[in-house]
Amino acid sequence: DAKTTQPTSMDCAEGRAANLPCNHSTISGNEYVYWYRQIHSQGPQYIIHGLKNNETNEMASLIITEDRKSSTLILPHATLRDTAVYYCIVRTDSRGSTLGRLYFGRGTQLTVWP
Amino acid sequence: GAGVSQTPSNKVTEKGKYVELRCDPISGHTALYWYRQSLGQGPEFLIYFQGTGAADDSGLPNDRFFAVRPEGSVSTLKIQRTERGDSAVYLCASSASDGYGYTFGSGTRLTVV
Repeated sequence: DAKTTQPTSMDCAEGRAANLPCNHSTISGNEYVYWYRQIHSQGPQYIIHGLKNNETNEMASLIITEDRKSSTLILPHATLRDTAVYYCIVRTDSRGSTLGRLYFGRGTQLTVWP
Repeated sequence: GAGVSQTPSNKVTEKGKYVELRCDPISGHTALYWYRQSLGQGPEFLIYFQGTGAADDSGLPNDRFFAVRPEGSVSTLKIQRTERGDSAVYLCASSASDGYGYTFGSGTRLTVV
């Protein structure tokens, strides 16, 4: 089971910020939130992950609510190349390890238009 | 190589035949994963190796599917008596021992006719 809920699709104008929401209301204390994206005909690509603090890297920012029941992935200046399916994933390894399976769900199809 | 390499990129086989799909992970990555992706769906977990051993094979759909990683590097996913329902993209990923940020290959598109 994916344990996350995402909108099926979103649109964003090129150059604007893309804010992709994710609900994970049953997340437990030692579970991380991961984001991956998949561009057509390629394998998924890791974007970012976090536990409870907001995170930022060269690709995106991750904002996690204080109660950790939801998060938002922010692409600050979306480009046409950011058009992809974005997956929000909560680790479910009961041993608390960061290794092991990922549950992908269906993700959000983000379309960036010129 | 710099990334995860999967061969072949495309495979067409007849129903009932045996196929092998190969994955070359990033050098030094101890963890290796196989996923399967059907059209319009997210990737579905199949099996996870830590070194040479399968740490979690609970995602393999039935006993026609088997995977090995004899030397802790290259892995082969083997499918016996293929069925049309096995048609999908088979993805391989690897990660370092900390598990953060898997790297996926581009996948093998298997078509069973």
